[in-house]
Amino acid sequence: KQEVTQIPAALSVPEGENLVLNCSFTDSAIYNLQWFRQDPGKGLTSLLLIQSSQREQTSGRLNASLDKSSGRSTLYIAASQPGDSATYLCAVSSTGGGNKLTFGTGTQLKVEL
Amino acid sequence: DTEVTQTPKHLVMGMTNKKSLKCEQHMGHRAMYWYKQKAKKPPELMFVYSYEKLSINESVPSRFSPECPNSSLLNLHLHALQPEDSALYLCASSQATRGRGRMRDNEQFFGPGTRLTVL
Repeated sequence: KQEVTQIPAALSVPEGENLVLNCSFTDSAIYNLQWFRQDPGKGLTSLLLIQSSQREQTSGRLNASLDKSSGRSTLYIAASQPGDSATYLCAVSSTGGGNKLTFGTGTQLKVEL
Repeated sequence: DTEVTQTPKHLVMGMTNKKSLKCEQHMGHRAMYWYKQKAKKPPELMFVYSYEKLSINESVPSRFSPECPNSSLLNLHLHALQPEDSALYLCASSQATRGRGRMRDNEQFFGPGTRLTVL
């Protein structure tokens, strides 16, 4: 059974700092990994999707990497802004699991002025 | 149009009521999903529809009844719910695949959710 863990659970940084969020998964047989953002009480916004054959994806100030063999992904946020404050979730789509996503526990990020 | 819409945004119901949640997408996606999210927890998959057929039911109690009347619509019918069913219900959609290959295209897009309170 796939298990996904994210550390840290919460993170508070000053504005402008670069930061890294971590995601680890137990079963490396995955199709892809997605990073999402969730604001309080809202739905999920897809940030980046990394296919199992890819090593990284970039979108604006965001860069996500994937090391499938070690079961790890990182989300790098450059020059953080208060508007980046949210909960960040990673989720993996495992082979043999249909279209099922298994979510991590999330990292709650606060970027302070 | 890359939007998944959900109605209503908020729903309060008693344990004897019957209500329905609605989800709609116009991205041509043929896979649609229902997730349940409790406070401070990650979303948990409930159901997956692929090409309008139920493909995954994560052992969800029968008081939750999904329906996919066409490729753009997904409903969740609720009956005789319990207070512990109070949660944010999220709908998502993605490209679907048949057989082998191109599972990698299944980026999921989520709606804003319906906040359900069962009294």
